[in-house]
Amino acid sequence: GAVVSQHPSWVICKSGTSVKIECRSLDFQATTMFWYRQFPKQSLMLMATSNEGSKATYEQGVEKDKFLINHASLTLSTLTVTSAHPEDSSFYICSAPRQPLPLNTEAFFGQGTRLTVV
Amino acid sequence: AQSVTQPDIHITVSEGASLELRCNYSYGATPYLFWYVQSPGQGLQLLLKYFSGDTLVQGIKGFEAEFKRSQSSFNLRKPSVHWSDAAEYFCAVGTSSNTGKLIFGQGTTLQVKP
Repeated sequence: GAVVSQHPSWVICKSGTSVKIECRSLDFQATTMFWYRQFPKQSLMLMATSNEGSKATYEQGVEKDKFLINHASLTLSTLTVTSAHPEDSSFYICSAPRQPLPLNTEAFFGQGTRLTVV
Repeated sequence: AQSVTQPDIHITVSEGASLELRCNYSYGATPYLFWYVQSPGQGLQLLLKYFSGDTLVQGIKGFEAEFKRSQSSFNLRKPSVHWSDAAEYFCAVGTSSNTGKLIFGQGTTLQVKP
């Protein structure tokens, strides 16, 4: 079946540094990917839509300069948390719907990345 | 605006007992509905989905869900719960234009007593 791989699974970084998280679709092309954030004991909140070859679309309240998204190929999207602070500590999950339409009826999720900023 | 409500934050059932997790949605058109399960520190696994057709859908691990348009509900059920079912369960709704973009409910934590 379709698989979405996310790397790293967990990362600890110092406050002020940047962290890059990768999301790869392993056996299908994904022109669109989604990034979610999940705080402890809370639900997943959509942060942004990553579009291959164009700018990402950010949800209201998400700082685009802080959470940089790059979707340079049909199988890879990256989320970079810039100048990370402890409040950015969270669980980040990506998803990718299988293309092409109209078979696009399910999104596959990565394993998630646990970010801890100290 | 779309929204998903899971009224029960935490549910405890005995192993072998039946289970029902509630989900209510708000969406103007026919929704695309999903149930996901998440184990601690893990990603999401799709249990089942509804797009159209038969309103009773079967999923993996013995789960089923019923879409009731009149009640705007998509409740998840399992006749006999196993200890390994203990996890976080999320109901989600997607738009018809792109089912990859999902709105999630708050989640329900299921605890299974031996």
